[in-house]
Amino acid sequence: RKEVEQDPGPFNVPEGATVAFNCTYSNSASQSFFWYRQDCRKEPKLLMSVYSSGNEDGRFTAQLNRASQYISLLIRDSKLSDSATYLCVVTDSWGKLQFGAGTQVVVTP
Amino acid sequence: GAGVSQTPSNKVTEKGKYVELRCDPISGHTALYWYRQSLGQGPEFLIYFQGTGAADDSGLPNDRFFAVRPEGSVSTLKIQRTERGDSAVYLCASSPSGTYTEAFFGQGTRLTVV
Repeated sequence: RKEVEQDPGPFNVPEGATVAFNCTYSNSASQSFFWYRQDCRKEPKLLMSVYSSGNEDGRFTAQLNRASQYISLLIRDSKLSDSATYLCVVTDSWGKLQFGAGTQVVVTP
Repeated sequence: GAGVSQTPSNKVTEKGKYVELRCDPISGHTALYWYRQSLGQGPEFLIYFQGTGAADDSGLPNDRFFAVRPEGSVSTLKIQRTERGDSAVYLCASSPSGTYTEAFFGQGTRLTVV
């Protein structure tokens, strides 16, 4: 079983709609959680950290459920520029970053 | 610039040859990571340095792969007797400390073994 699992998608989303997807992780001792965004043939870049209480950054909302060991990302009012692969990242107590395989989002006009 | 720099950006090598991939992290970052990424996959962990020492090298696929960071800054990933299956984008990232901080990635080295 992979340490971090994501639905690969693609999620085809009309412009202006809302999309949400989850990521599950297997290590209950995981310390911190992030969503990264990766555009085609580019390096991953941090989208947002994920905190236990949940957090928002503009149109993006992230939630963490430690009991069920999943994190989620919700994108409201989707823009064409939101089309990308979203990578779920989990760190252990040593700081090692484990990536999921990514969820592809395609926003259509 | 002040970002993570990886060289070369592209490398084509023949099967069986030795290659070195270089990573210059952001100045002052103690944590340095190497990943490799194949098309349609997420980054696959290879090795993680804190300072000069490898904190976790459990992702290195076999003994043909080796990485060093002798002065706690620049790191080199070394691949011996390359195989076609080693073809991938090799990504390097650095962060100030590791556990709770953002990791910044370089643009990667695209390795093609022919």
